Amino acid sequence: AQTVTQSQPEMSVQEAETVTLSCTYDTSESDYYLFWYKQPPSRQMILVIRQEAYKQQNATENRFSVNFQKAAKSFSLKISDSQLGDAAMYFCAYRSAYNAGNNRKLIWGLGTSLAVNP
Amino acid sequence: SQTIHQWPATLVQPVGSPLSLECTVEGTSNPNLYWYRQAAGRGLQLLFYSVGIGQISSEVPQNLSASRPQDRQFILSSKKLLLSDSGFYLCARGEGYFPTDTQYFGPGTRLTVL
Repeated sequence: AQTVTQSQPEMSVQEAETVTLSCTYDTSESDYYLFWYKQPPSRQMILVIRQEAYKQQNATENRFSVNFQKAAKSFSLKISDSQLGDAAMYFCAYRSAYNAGNNRKLIWGLGTSLAVNP
Repeated sequence: SQTIHQWPATLVQPVGSPLSLECTVEGTSNPNLYWYRQAAGRGLQLLFYSVGIGQISSEVPQNLSASRPQDRQFILSSKKLLLSDSGFYLCARGEGYFPTDTQYFGPGTRLTVL
């Protein structure tokens, strides 16, 4: 079964600085999707970025970018020029590209709580 | 634009009472719809998903049920709530083809069972 691990329960960054959140996953599959979601204090889950495993190019979305290392099964999120509004819980998630049984689920990490200091 | 509404935003219910949470989606037709629960300090647990009207798949056996009476309406129900049903309930819609659709979430419902 696939698993997602976020080894940093809490992190902090100074406003305008750069921070990297770690995510590793375990799978025997070759085709899958990876996601980063942000959950601010309002608790609404917001999609930050999505990466297809078959794409070698790292996904970017404005100040958010990923470092996708398929062989290492690593999917880290880099936030550049951190803003106060970036303070939130960040979740890494995995989804198989194959439609069978438990593959329909998003597999979630336990999250990293990011604080942004002014 | 596509919007997800969840109602109510907050609910406090006694043990043994019934439950009905509603999720409605605007701006799209025949969306894939999902119900998740998030316990305090934990990740998301998929409860149900639906790829069309009347089509419900359950991921976790429990005292909850789901229904999809209309294309853009997804309802989570219980006949008798348990203390363990407390949590934050999130509805999501899928964009793209199931099961590789990208999920976008509604604002959630905070349920407290006393």
